[in-house]
Amino acid sequence: GEDVEQSLFLSVREGDSSVINCTYTDSSSTYLYWYKQEPGAGLQLLTYIFSNMDMKQDQRLTVLLNKKDKHLSLRIADTQTGDSAIYFCAEPPYNRLAFGKGNQVVVIP
Amino acid sequence: IAGITQAPTSQILAAGRRMTLRCTQDMRHNAMYWYRQDLGLGLRLIHYSNTAGTTGKGEVPDGYSVSRANTDDFPLTLASAVPSQTSVYFCATSRDSKETQYFGPGTRLLVL
Repeated sequence: GEDVEQSLFLSVREGDSSVINCTYTDSSSTYLYWYKQEPGAGLQLLTYIFSNMDMKQDQRLTVLLNKKDKHLSLRIADTQTGDSAIYFCAEPPYNRLAFGKGNQVVVIP
Repeated sequence: IAGITQAPTSQILAAGRRMTLRCTQDMRHNAMYWYRQDLGLGLRLIHYSNTAGTTGKGEVPDGYSVSRANTDDFPLTLASAVPSQTSVYFCATSRDSKETQYFGPGTRLLVL
């Protein structure tokens, strides 16, 4: 079956950059997504990348896609305390195992 | 405001009791999903529905059932709750199975 893998925990100082990684096994998805879950809340879409792109920049967020290695990363520049959350990469379709286990980012003031 | 509502917000339930978690959306999305979220295990798909009238099993369906009688509602039923079903349950929707998912606020369930 398809699996999405993520590392679990990252601490970063406010103002530094943080990088979250994800690997996936199914290469047929049109889009790959990053979701953010703040404490006590559900997941919200953070950003996405079209599968024929290598990079997407969205303000402080940079998504890199390495299709050869099936590797997806999310870089957050100038990390702020509001970026403390759990980040999930997701590879649709959603009617099967589509989400990684999540990566908790803790921003240290 | 369009969105997804879940009820109850939280519940303490005695083992062996029957419980239905409710999920309602007003976005007219075709697909709906139920996940459970447990520490260290991420989001695990319980059941899904690609469109009204159809349902499918996810990764962890045992002990749960769903129905999709109409577009807006997707209730999740625990026929006889067990302590291992203690979790946070999220309902989600998407226009189709490959587009952005939208999540409800979650139901926190404690089975004793």
